[in-house]
Amino acid sequence: EIQLVDSGGGLVKPGGSLRLSCSASDFALRHYSVNWVRQAPGKGLEWVSSISSTGSYIYYADSVKGRFIISRDNAGGLVHLQMNSLSIEDSAVYYCARVAVSGPVGFFDLWGRGTLVSVSS
Amino acid sequence: EVVLTQSPVTLSLSPGDRATLSCRASQSVTSYLAWYQQRPGQAPRLLIYDASNRAAGTPARFSGSGSGTDFTLTISSLEPEDFAVYYCQQRSNWPRTFGQGTKVEI
Repeated sequence: EIQLVDSGGGLVKPGGSLRLSCSASDFALRHYSVNWVRQAPGKGLEWVSSISSTGSYIYYADSVKGRFIISRDNAGGLVHLQMNSLSIEDSAVYYCARVAVSGPVGFFDLWGRGTLVSVSS
Repeated sequence: EVVLTQSPVTLSLSPGDRATLSCRASQSVTSYLAWYQQRPGQAPRLLIYDASNRAAGTPARFSGSGSGTDFTLTISSLEPEDFAVYYCQQRSNWPRTFGQGTKVEI
C-alpha cells in the first residue's frame, strides 16, 4: 500500500530537541518534494517546512526558522525534521506530506498519519 | 505571506443539504488553491486542486470554483461522512498557507 510513515515524536522538555523522520512505503520518496505540516491540539493546520526532491530547495515557516532543519537521505529513503530549542508552542501532531508531481502538481496528495510532539516540563 | 480567511467557521447542516464554504485570499493566488478534508483523528485528504479539479477518489458531489482571491467549495448533497473540517491551502507563494478551517457539523 502506498503510504507515508512519520515517526520520531515524543515528550521533550522546553529547550530540548527531537528529530522526526518520514519514510515511504511502496514508492520511491526520492522523486518527491516533501513538506511537514503541524496541527496543535484542537487547532488548524500550519505549514512548517519544505524540501525539494534533490534537497536543493528548502523553505521554512517564520515560526521555526533558525530552530528547525529539514534534510533528506535519498539513498535511505528518508526525510528528517530536526527540531531544536523546542517551546510549548511547538506541541502538535506533525504530518509529513508528499508533493504531487502529476495531477495535483504542487499540492499535498499523500499524508502520513502524523507523529505527536509534546513539549512540557 | 498570503492569508487565507475561511467562512463560516462552523456550518450546521443536515444530511442531504447543500454546503457552501468560502475561502478568501489576501492577494491573488491565481488558481493555485486546494481544498482538504479532515475527519476526526485522521490526516487531511486532498479533495480539490487548482481551484476546481477533483483529486482522485473525490466524489462528484464536491466541486470547487473561483480564481484570484475568492474561492468556493460546494458539497451538493451532504452525506454522513462529509461532516468534517475543510481547509483551503495556497501554493502560489512561500510560505505555503492554510485557512483556519470550516467545520461542517450536523
